[in-house]
Amino acid sequence: GAVVSQHPSRVICKSGTSVKIECRSLDFQATTMFWYRQFPKQSLMLMATSNEGSKATYEQGVEKDKFLINHASLTLSTLTVTSAHPEDSSFYICSAIAGGDGGTQYFGPGTRLLVL
Amino acid sequence: DQQVKQNSPSLSVQEGRISILNCDYTNSMFDYFLWYKKYPAEGPTFLISISSIKDKNEDGRFTVFLNKSAKHLSLHIVPSQPGDSAVYFCAAPAGGTSYGKLTFGQGTILTVHP
Repeated sequence: GAVVSQHPSRVICKSGTSVKIECRSLDFQATTMFWYRQFPKQSLMLMATSNEGSKATYEQGVEKDKFLINHASLTLSTLTVTSAHPEDSSFYICSAIAGGDGGTQYFGPGTRLLVL
Repeated sequence: DQQVKQNSPSLSVQEGRISILNCDYTNSMFDYFLWYKKYPAEGPTFLISISSIKDKNEDGRFTVFLNKSAKHLSLHIVPSQPGDSAVYFCAAPAGGTSYGKLTFGQGTILTVHP
């Protein structure tokens, strides 16, 4: 299957700082990527849809000024958690659609964010 | 509003036996479903999908069954192996297309005992 990478895999930061997470489709181009968040023992919750060359679409309840998404190329989307607080600590996962594969979403390995 | 539900939080099965994971949905607009497997601290891995024009799709040890009238699907793993132990999520794309954003069920933790 298609490969999606995320960087970093784990990050610890101080409250009030900003953290950038990268999501890359390694062997295919993705016009659409998605960002999910998973809290412990809960399901994956969609945060936003990242569209190459245009603004991201955020789900209800997700602060777009806090979670900045940039999809500058067909293989890279970034999520920046601005002014992070302890309640932002979570597992962030991106996915990308491989267009030639029936629309299956392939997920990155995730990024564990811990805000102290 | 939980549109995709996995009512069994966990399932324990003996190696070699069949594992049956269930999923119900409420949105009749869903017409494509996917199953993902997830290990702790990793992203989900795609397993198998099914379109609503079918009632069964098989791939090796994995078979997914869809009952549209009951709005129910199930994933069968035969024979189960210890390496299958993971969290399994069913998911459906919004908007009636396989390219849509996914709504996930709560997940079922499968444990396969040697």
